[in-house]
Amino acid sequence: AQSVTQPDIHITVSEGASLELRCNYSYGATPYLFWYVQSPGQGLQLLLKYFSGDTLVQGIKGFEAEFKRSQSSFNLRKPSVHWSDAAEYFCAVGGEVGIPTFGRGTSLIVHP
Amino acid sequence: KAGVTQTPRYLIKTRGQQVTLSCSPISGHRSVSWYQQTPGQGLQFLFEYFSETQRNKGNFPGRFSGRQFSNSRSEMNVSTLELGDSALYLCASSSRDRGFNEQFFGPGTRLTVL
Repeated sequence: AQSVTQPDIHITVSEGASLELRCNYSYGATPYLFWYVQSPGQGLQLLLKYFSGDTLVQGIKGFEAEFKRSQSSFNLRKPSVHWSDAAEYFCAVGGEVGIPTFGRGTSLIVHP
Repeated sequence: KAGVTQTPRYLIKTRGQQVTLSCSPISGHRSVSWYQQTPGQGLQFLFEYFSETQRNKGNFPGRFSGRQFSNSRSEMNVSTLELGDSALYLCASSSRDRGFNEQFFGPGTRLTVL
């Protein structure tokens, strides 16, 4: 069965600091991996996705993620966080067919 | 292109009532999925419709049902509402014929059951 673990429920960073959100997955085949962001009262917006190829993926809003097959991880990074990045972040894993699985989310708090 | 739209955005119902939520996907998208989001359970998959047929179904009771019309618009119905059905219901559309490779989410319908 596929699963996603986001070990950090909350993360607090100062504005301008770097950010890394962790995501570990379990999937029996080559995974399709996603990171979504959700602002309060809003739906989920896709930040980036990995299907194949280059393991370092660039997304919107200055985010990037690196796929590490050996570690079953797909961590999200940003070199300098802005106050507007405060939101809930979800990692998801899926495949060519079937039901996608979302992690429980990581809430990002940004201090001025 | 217009995004995924969901109506209504907010809804208050009482226990025992039924409710219908609507979702209009991005033009050209034939797949529509529904999710329930709660603080305790996170994001849980309800079902997916593709070309008017239910293609996948999550682990929810039969009180939760859905349908899709020929124009790809989808509705979700919950009968005999329970307090635990209070949640944000999200709809997502996809253009892919198979799988869930990329989904675009609507803003959600916030359902409160009193």
